Amino acid sequence: AQKITQTQPGMFVQEKEAVTLDCTYDTSDPSYGLFWYKQPSSGEMIFLIYQGSYDQQNATEGRYSLNFQKARKSANLVISASQLGDSAMYFCAMREGRTGGFKTIFGAGTRLFVKA
Amino acid sequence: NAGVTQTPKFRVLKTGQSMTLLCAQDMNHEYMYWYRQDPGMGLRLIHYSVGEGTTAKGEVPDGYNVSRLKKQNFLLGLESAAPSQTSVYFCASSPNRGGGELFFGEGSRLTVL
Repeated sequence: AQKITQTQPGMFVQEKEAVTLDCTYDTSDPSYGLFWYKQPSSGEMIFLIYQGSYDQQNATEGRYSLNFQKARKSANLVISASQLGDSAMYFCAMREGRTGGFKTIFGAGTRLFVKA
Repeated sequence: NAGVTQTPKFRVLKTGQSMTLLCAQDMNHEYMYWYRQDPGMGLRLIHYSVGEGTTAKGEVPDGYNVSRLKKQNFLLGLESAAPSQTSVYFCASSPNRGGGELFFGEGSRLTVL
């Protein structure tokens, strides 16, 4: 069964420090994509970064990078130089390919608190 | 740019009443999804569609029905609302390619008394 696990309900980080948010996934589909989204207190969902299962290099988008370890089935989000505006909920998501019907499911999320 | 639009944004129902949430997207996306978000449980997939005229069950489909008669619209119906269906509902759409990110609506807050 398709599954996304985020084991950190809450995380604290000092402003300007880096932080890693954990995500593990479980799928038997060889083709899948991994996404991270940010949800600030205002409620909208903001796309951050994407990693395909066949991508050889880790994805990066500005201060966000995805540490993709395929054999361990992990897709951790690394935020460098944290800012106060990074305080939000962060969700990991996975879309399976044809075998999984192309559905996209989410983890339970991690709430990040950035301290000044 | 409208993107993904959900109506209504807020609704209060009594137990047993029915209602339909409408999701409309103007990006010509193939995939559309309905999620519910409850505290501590993230977003759970209710139903989804990979193209006009198709629907499929997600993780928590019971008590909901959907239809995708037109490519741009994805309707979520509650036939007989229950208090357990009190939640924030999000619609999303994406293009039919592996890296196609989901574009979300603003959410619809439903309260069932």
